Amino acid sequence: DAGVIQSPRHEVTEMGQEVTLRCKPISGHNSLFWYRQTMMRGLELLIYFNNNVPIDDSGMPEDRFSAKMPNASFSTLKIQPSEPRDSAVYFCASSFPPLGAGNTIYFGEGSWLTVV
Amino acid sequence: EDQVTQSPEALRLQEGESSSLNCSYTVSGLRGLFWYRQDPGKGPEFLFTLYSAGEEKEKERLKATLTKKESFLHITAPKPEDSATYLCAVQGNTGNQFYFGTGTSLTVIP
Repeated sequence: DAGVIQSPRHEVTEMGQEVTLRCKPISGHNSLFWYRQTMMRGLELLIYFNNNVPIDDSGMPEDRFSAKMPNASFSTLKIQPSEPRDSAVYFCASSFPPLGAGNTIYFGEGSWLTVV
Repeated sequence: EDQVTQSPEALRLQEGESSSLNCSYTVSGLRGLFWYRQDPGKGPEFLFTLYSAGEEKEKERLKATLTKKESFLHITAPKPEDSATYLCAVQGNTGNQFYFGTGTSLTVIP
């Protein structure tokens, strides 16, 4: 089975540019999560979707960040405009069924973002 | 607020030298405690889920245990291929968030 697929794996961009990260969850999973990982703060949940609907976006740091899930097999995380402090690894993860009694989430390989 | 604290931050072991990693947590009603392994340049890989105090899970050289306040990941006779960062996460009843610790970086020296 294919796992969670993320693209691009690596992105280097200049400050002020728009960045779009993409995610394909595991087929049949209906919860999708975007995490950011840094050395200082570890893994932080940015937003999660259930059945394509955003449930909790309280972790989205600023209005510069936005996420969409137009269908069950695709999600995007967009940063516009990007800033050097956005440099981090962004992980997408998915889960099935909707989170209940400790359902496991499965991670993609991450998108490594560097903003210069 | 739900919190997870892992210790030590880093651990160096000789091959075959058993040890334990600690995950202390505070959560409003534990739904599950999760252990993940993360290799450099990779996403976290699921290892175990524990649901209630007293529960234990094993996989090869790893054994995870759970009490009401903490979990231990015991590593018996580790090998160099066990070198990785081990992450702990909890899920509580107040929402669907997974709260992650900052991990323990394990290095096993041949």
